[in-house]
Amino acid sequence: KNEVEQSPQNLTAQEGEFITINCSYSVGISALHWLQQHPGGGIVSLFMLSSGKKKHGRLIATINIQEKHSSLHITASHPRDSAVYICAVTPPLSSYNNNDMRFGAGTRLTVKP
Amino acid sequence: GAGVSQSPSNKVTEKGKDVELRCDPISGHTALYWYRQSLGQGLEFLIYFQGNSAPDKSGLPSDRFSAERTGGSVSTLTIQRTQQEDSAVYLCASSLDGTSGSRFFGPGTRLTVL
Repeated sequence: KNEVEQSPQNLTAQEGEFITINCSYSVGISALHWLQQHPGGGIVSLFMLSSGKKKHGRLIATINIQEKHSSLHITASHPRDSAVYICAVTPPLSSYNNNDMRFGAGTRLTVKP
Repeated sequence: GAGVSQSPSNKVTEKGKDVELRCDPISGHTALYWYRQSLGQGLEFLIYFQGNSAPDKSGLPSDRFSAERTGGSVSTLTIQRTQQEDSAVYLCASSLDGTSGSRFFGPGTRLTVL
């Protein structure tokens, strides 16, 4: 079983819809990251969080440490939001591989106009 | 520079040849990471540098892979005697330090081994 699980694998939405992508992890972490990868392959770091909630524009990321679960929400989705969204975790600083980022498989989002 | 840069952007090589991939991190970033993304696969950690040292080489898939970082800046990932299964996009990222902060990714090098 992968240490970082994302759902759904694929998501198609109509422009304007509210979107939620989920991430569950089974290891101890120091931080959780949400990354965005566009069709050209470039990766952008959207959020890094270790507790609570962060908001940037139409994007909101939440994390529940007790439940080992995070969600990425997109409000008023737009076709330009179409990309692969990747959840990743970094282990605690005390662990052997202290910067070995573990990745989910990604969620491919397509927003149709 | 303003961001992480990688070169070349694309590399096509023949099986058995050696290749060198270069990463220029953001100036002042002490931590540098190499990842691999094979076609249709997720991202895979390869190696991490803090300054010039590589405390974590656990992700390198075989002894054909090596990496170095000199001067605490530019890093080179070398693949010897390339195999077809080495074909992938190789991504580099940097962060301010190895304990905190977001990672900034380069555009990647697409390696194709014929």
